Amino acid sequence: KAGVTQTPRYLIKTRGQQVTLSCSPISGHRSVSWYQQTPGQGLQFLFEYFSETQRNKGNFPGRFSGRQFSNSRSEMNVSTLELGDSALYLCASSQLTGGGETQYFGPGTRLLVL
Amino acid sequence: AQKITQTQPGMFVQEKEAVTLDCTYDTSDPSYGLFWYKQPSSGEMIFLIYQGSYDQQNATEGRYSLNFQKARKSANLVISASQLGDSAMYFCAMRGDSGGSNYKLTFGKGTLLTVNP
Repeated sequence: KAGVTQTPRYLIKTRGQQVTLSCSPISGHRSVSWYQQTPGQGLQFLFEYFSETQRNKGNFPGRFSGRQFSNSRSEMNVSTLELGDSALYLCASSQLTGGGETQYFGPGTRLLVL
Repeated sequence: AQKITQTQPGMFVQEKEAVTLDCTYDTSDPSYGLFWYKQPSSGEMIFLIYQGSYDQQNATEGRYSLNFQKARKSANLVISASQLGDSAMYFCAMRGDSGGSNYKLTFGKGTLLTVNP
């Protein structure tokens, strides 16, 4: 079974631009979560989608948004990029949601904002 | 709220020896899952092992075992017979069952393990 895939793998943008990242979960997985990883803040939860509905959202500004499609694929959008948005963005999928569900991660998208 | 504490920023181990990476947690959830992930320099987060809060036995997966002490709220990862390829950052994480914000994975700050030949 194919793992979680994320595109693109690397991205360079300038301040003020917007960016869209894509995540395809493992086949059969209905939950997709997004995390931001930076050296200073570590791994921080952005949001989780389950069956096309946002179930949970972290403490990020409204510039960060996402959606999930009927095939469980998910996109994350960041508008009006700031230098501090430079990070590794990780997507994870699980069959369901909850404490007993293991999340499997994709390779990540490295975003650099200049 | 959930919290994971990893007190060892870095650890060194000789090849073929065993090593224990510490993890303590705090949660008000009566039911939760504990996870360990490995992150090599490439960045991908690799799932290693899972322990449910109601599991009676410690989880094992090949060379990985989880030393779960519920009363002490600790979930230490033991790697036996270390290999050079084990050099990576290791994260302890938890996910609650009570819904809402507890469904997310909460991570510790990680431990950088270096295996010496």
